[in-house]
Amino acid sequence: DAGVTQSPTHLIKTRGQHVTLRCSPISGHKSVSWYQQVLGQGPQFIFQYYEKEERGRGNFPDRFSARQFPNYSSELNVNALLLGDSALYLCASSSAGQGGSNQPQHFGDGTRLSIL
Amino acid sequence: RKEVEQDPGPFNVPEGATVAFNCTYSNSASQSFFWYRQDCRKEPKLLMSVYSSGNEDGRFTAQLNRASQYISLLIRDSKLSDSATYLCVVNQGGTSYGKLTFGQGTILTVHP
Repeated sequence: DAGVTQSPTHLIKTRGQHVTLRCSPISGHKSVSWYQQVLGQGPQFIFQYYEKEERGRGNFPDRFSARQFPNYSSELNVNALLLGDSALYLCASSSAGQGGSNQPQHFGDGTRLSIL
Repeated sequence: RKEVEQDPGPFNVPEGATVAFNCTYSNSASQSFFWYRQDCRKEPKLLMSVYSSGNEDGRFTAQLNRASQYISLLIRDSKLSDSATYLCVVNQGGTSYGKLTFGQGTILTVHP
């Protein structure tokens, strides 16, 4: 069975541009979460979507947005890119529904975003 | 204070050694706990969930002390392939069930 898939694997952008990152969850998983990981730190939570609705948002500016589609895939959008947005962006899926914190999240390979 | 704190290391140990990692978390309402492993430039992978009763998976043993808000991971008989960053992870549950809070990670290098 396919795991969580993310695209693209690598991306180079310049300041001020926008970017769209894509994620397909494990089949049957309805919950998708996005994380940002900068070098030397653990991943930081950005968003969670469940059943196409935003269920959680981390401490990120409004330049960051996301959505989930009827097939449970998801997109993360970042506008007006800054140098500090350079990071590994990770998508994770889970079978958890409301309150299902015991279900672990499974991560995709990530998209490595570099801002020049 | 960080929500999840780990000693970043690095830990350098010889093959066969026993090594222990510790982690503390600040939110006493946290409900679920995990250890993830991350290889260089790769995604985090679930190593094991952590339960109050303690749990073991082969050479790996995880412990949770809710009263002290403390989580540990013990690796026995270290292998070269255990070299990685180990991430302590907490889930508050409730309406935040989709959010994992990660520690900084502890770097382990196992040498011959």
